[in-house]
This record gives sequence, structure tokens and C-alpha cells, in this order.
Amino acid sequence: DAGVTQSPTHLIKTRGQQVTLRCSPKSGHDTVSWYQQALGQGPQFIFQYYEEEERQRGNFPDRFSGHQFPNYSSELNVNALLLGDSALYLCASSAGTEGAGTEAFFGQGTRLTVV
Amino acid sequence: RKEVEQDPGPFNVPEGATVAFNCTYSNSASQSFFWYRQDCRKEPKLLMSVYSSGNEDGRFTAQLNRASQYISLLIRDSKLSDSATYLCVVNAIRSGYALNFGKGTSLLVTP
Repeated sequence: DAGVTQSPTHLIKTRGQQVTLRCSPKSGHDTVSWYQQALGQGPQFIFQYYEEEERQRGNFPDRFSGHQFPNYSSELNVNALLLGDSALYLCASSAGTEGAGTEAFFGQGTRLTVV
Repeated sequence: RKEVEQDPGPFNVPEGATVAFNCTYSNSASQSFFWYRQDCRKEPKLLMSVYSSGNEDGRFTAQLNRASQYISLLIRDSKLSDSATYLCVVNAIRSGYALNFGKGTSLLVTP
């Protein structure tokens, strides 16, 4: 049973560029959340997708957008990259019908470096 | 004030020692509480959920004090493999589905 998979694992982009990160949830999970983890910090919630809709959004600018596909996989897009966007981007999947606060399973993350 | 606060450490302890981590949260409406473990440059993994009555899993014991808005994790008989960052995680009604993470407490167990 494959867990949460993310691609790519590492990425280097230039300021002002755009990036797309991808996530496939754990089998049986229909909810995908994205988190940003800066060095030395805990993960910060970006947004969550359920039934192909953004269900909740954290305190991130509109440059951060996402999408969920019918197979529950998800993409995170970041436009107009800033140096401060350099971080580990984590995808977490869970079963949406179980409500808030259920165990989230994380992917290995995409390490984004903006230069 | 951050919603979840932890002592960042690092905690350096010898093998076999007992170590305790503390965490406070600011939202009294918080409903769910967890400890996650994160190894260096890896993803967080659930260590244990924390219940009001307290719970134990082998060498690990978690406690919740809702009145003081305080969560703790006790590790007994530390192993080298316990070296990691321990993240206190809280879910509050106001946060909806988002998990609020503390900054993490770094533990290094030495031979």
C-alpha cells in the first residue's frame, strides 16, 4: 500500500518564476492538505482540498493556489516566487469524512529552493 | 502569541535517561492533540495522540491538562533512535481542519 507520494523531491527555481508541486494521497484517503515548513520551524498550514474544492485556507497570499483532481491527487502552485518561499513543502492526506483532527499522513516533502 | 509553543531545546541526554517535553496552546477551544516525530530532513510522523485521561505507548507517556492548556510527552529509557524533533500539534475548532504545529523540540540521545 503506497503512502503519500510527492514530486519532485527537490527543486531549484529563480525569483519570479512559478512552480507546481504534486501529491498523491494514501490509498483510501480523499483529503489533501498542504503545509510549508521553513528551516527550524514547524509546518504551517497552507490549505486543504476535499471533493475537489478548497475547504480551508491558512494565512498565505493568493500567490499560493491549488487544485484537487477526481482521483484525489493534488497540486500546489506558487506564482512569482520569492526568496522567502524557500522551504520544505509537505502534503498530508487524511479521510475527510472522519472530521477534523484525525491522523494526517505526510509525504516526504518537496524541498524548494528559490535563488 | 503563537497558538502552540514549545521549548525548542536542544535536549541532549544520555542513553537510558528520562526526558520530558512541554507544550502550551493558546486556544481553549482546542479539541485534538498529538505528538509527531520528525527525523532530520524527513516528514513528520504521528507518534501518539493525546487524550484527557493521559495515555501511554511503551516508553512514551502523553498527558493533557486542559485547565492549564498544557501538553507533555515523557520518554523513559531513551534510545539512540529516539533522537529527532518532537512536534506538538493541536487542532482547534476555530482552525477547522488545519493542524497547528509547534516549532518542535530537538532531542539528541548520546551513547
